[in-house]
Amino acid sequence: AQKITQTQPGMFVQEKEAVTLDCTYDTSDQSYGLFWYKQPSSGEMIFLIYQGSYDEQNATEGRYSLNFQKARKSANLVISASQLGDSAMYFCAMREAFNTDKLIFGTGTRLQVFP
Amino acid sequence: DADVTQTPRNRITKTGKRIMLECSQTKGHDRMYWYRQDPGLGLRLIYYSFDVKDINKGEISDGYSVSRQAQAKFSLSLESAIPNQTALYFCATSDLTGYGYTFGSGTRLTVV
Repeated sequence: AQKITQTQPGMFVQEKEAVTLDCTYDTSDQSYGLFWYKQPSSGEMIFLIYQGSYDEQNATEGRYSLNFQKARKSANLVISASQLGDSAMYFCAMREAFNTDKLIFGTGTRLQVFP
Repeated sequence: DADVTQTPRNRITKTGKRIMLECSQTKGHDRMYWYRQDPGLGLRLIYYSFDVKDINKGEISDGYSVSRQAQAKFSLSLESAIPNQTALYFCATSDLTGYGYTFGSGTRLTVV
């Protein structure tokens, strides 16, 4: 069965530093998608970045990049130049087999950025 | 206006009461989902629907029912609410690209 594992319940980073949030996944499908979402204290789910299993290059969106290592089944999120507003919960998610399109979520990592 | 609108945003209800959470979307997506978020557990799928006549159970459907009234509307009902259904509930839609998901702002439900 597909599964997402986020082993870091909480992370601290100083403002302007880079931080890596870990995500490993388990699937037997060849075609899948990986997502990262940010959830601030207000509760909404904010899409950050997406990586398809067949994408050869790591996805990047502004200060966010996804370090995709297919053989290791890892999809770590890298946030460069952290800002105070980056303090939030971060969820890694995987799209299940294409014809169902369900998202499977990890348990999340709480990131706290300090001055 | 939001693409995916959930009502109410917050609700406190008593044990045993029936409650409906509503979701409407202007994305034009056929696929809609209801997720539940508990602290420390991430989001878990309750029900999903690929069109008005296609409704499927997710991993935690017990105690819930849904209704897809139209392409744009997908409601979640708790027939007899219990305290362990206290959670944050999200409605979401997706397009056919495989990565075009849109989440509503969530409904925070408390059952006392």
